[in-house]
Amino acid sequence: DIQMTQSPSPLSASVGDRVIITCQASQDISTYLNWYQQKPGKAPKLLIYDASDLETGVPSRFGGSGSGTHFTFTITSLQPEDVATYYCQQYGNLPLTFGGGTKVEIK
Amino acid sequence: EVQLVESGGGLVRPGESLRLSCAASGFFFTDYWMSWVRQSPGKGLEWVANINLDGSAQNYVDSVKGRFIISRDNAKKSLYLQMNNLTPDDSAIYFCARSSDSQGGISAAHFDSWGQGARVSVSS
Repeated sequence: DIQMTQSPSPLSASVGDRVIITCQASQDISTYLNWYQQKPGKAPKLLIYDASDLETGVPSRFGGSGSGTHFTFTITSLQPEDVATYYCQQYGNLPLTFGGGTKVEIK
Repeated sequence: EVQLVESGGGLVRPGESLRLSCAASGFFFTDYWMSWVRQSPGKGLEWVANINLDGSAQNYVDSVKGRFIISRDNAKKSLYLQMNNLTPDDSAIYFCARSSDSQGGISAAHFDSWGQGARVSVSS
């Protein structure tokens, strides 16, 4: 199975800060990587697919990059409504696997 | 509007069975792979199983192989998860999710719509 390792967790930042989350795959997955946001008590929501493509309707302050084994997720200017846990997910191989999550809090 | 509504969760004893259902609306059900993803209390997300467009192919995570069966009824626009021989480790919220293809044509690459989840608790 492909292991996905996220860091940091948790992450505390101020409103307006640039936030970067990293996701490391245990083997090369090309750009087969997605990012989700999950707010407490809610279902996850797809933000980024194929490593860098923004899902329709998602604010442009969210972005993703990377390929191979190293990926980053960026919030360019953290907003109060961005408080959530963020997960990466690979689809390079079955089983589909998620990272352990990064909880983002406001300082 | 895409809607996925799960039902069938509950409290069962170890070794018992449970069947989850997911009613889909707002999209062409037969155009999409469908998946189940679970989340244990306070834990992360785990993909459980997916099924192709006509139900002829299924994939499972190893921990549920031989115990869980994913199926779909396209006429009823419904997805199912039959869970047998349940253990406490299966306790989780189970989400029904629509799976979409990647830009490069890989099937069931990402989960672009989710239900609200059904809670399953396994305890003696």
